[in-house]
Amino acid sequence: DVKVTQSSRYLVKRTGEKVFLECVQDMDHENMFWYRQDPGLGLRLIYFSYDVKMKEKGDIPEGYSVSREKKERFSLILESASTNQTSMYLCASTRGEFEQYFGPGTRLTVT
Amino acid sequence: AQSVTQLGSHVSVSEGALVLLRCNYSSSVPPYLFWYVQYPNQGLQLLLKYTSAATLVKGINGFEAEFKKSETSFHLTKPSAHMSDAAEYFCAVTGGIDYKLSFGAGTTVTVRA
Repeated sequence: DVKVTQSSRYLVKRTGEKVFLECVQDMDHENMFWYRQDPGLGLRLIYFSYDVKMKEKGDIPEGYSVSREKKERFSLILESASTNQTSMYLCASTRGEFEQYFGPGTRLTVT
Repeated sequence: AQSVTQLGSHVSVSEGALVLLRCNYSSSVPPYLFWYVQYPNQGLQLLLKYTSAATLVKGINGFEAEFKKSETSFHLTKPSAHMSDAAEYFCAVTGGIDYKLSFGAGTTVTVRA
C-alpha cells in the first residue's frame, strides 16, 4: 500500500512564526502536492512538484513556499504564519496515473 | 481549465436508503473524474475513478458512478446507505494534461438510524 505521512496531525503556532509542514511518501512517486482544505471551499492547491528541486505554483501560493530536496519528501513552509492560514493541510502524491494518494492531514491553528 | 460543482453541501439519508451525490464538471479536454471520501480527522481515500473506459464505474464499499458526457455529470450512488457511509465526499476532475486535480466543495453525508 502507498503510504503518505505528514509530520504532525495537530499544530498550534503563533502569528509571525515560521512553520514547516513535512510530507513523506514511500512509493517513489514523482509528483507531490500540497493542498489546504477549508469548510465550503473543498481542497485548493497551494504548490506541487514534478521532480526533485522542481516546484510549481498552484491556485493559492501566496504566503507559502515549498522545498523538495529528496524525491520522497515535500515540505510546505509558512514564512510568517498569519491567522488566515489556520486550516487543514493535506499532502498527496502520484506516480502519474492521476490518482492521488493522500496523507492524514495536519490541522494548523495560528493564534 | 477544469472545474467541478457539487450540488448540495449536505445530504441526510436513512439507513438502507439510496445515496445520491451530484457532481457536474467543466473541462476543455476529455476529463478524468474521481470521487474521494474523507472520514473525520483523516485524509482522502479514493472511492472510484473514470479514465475514459467504461462509463459506469464501480468503486469500493458498494459505490458506483456513471459518466454522462452529454450532461457533463458524474453522480455517485449507493443503493443502500450504511451508518459507516457518514463522511464527506469530494468529486474531482483533471484534464489529463498534467496531474493537477480540481476539487468540488464537498458534500457531507449523514445517515439516520
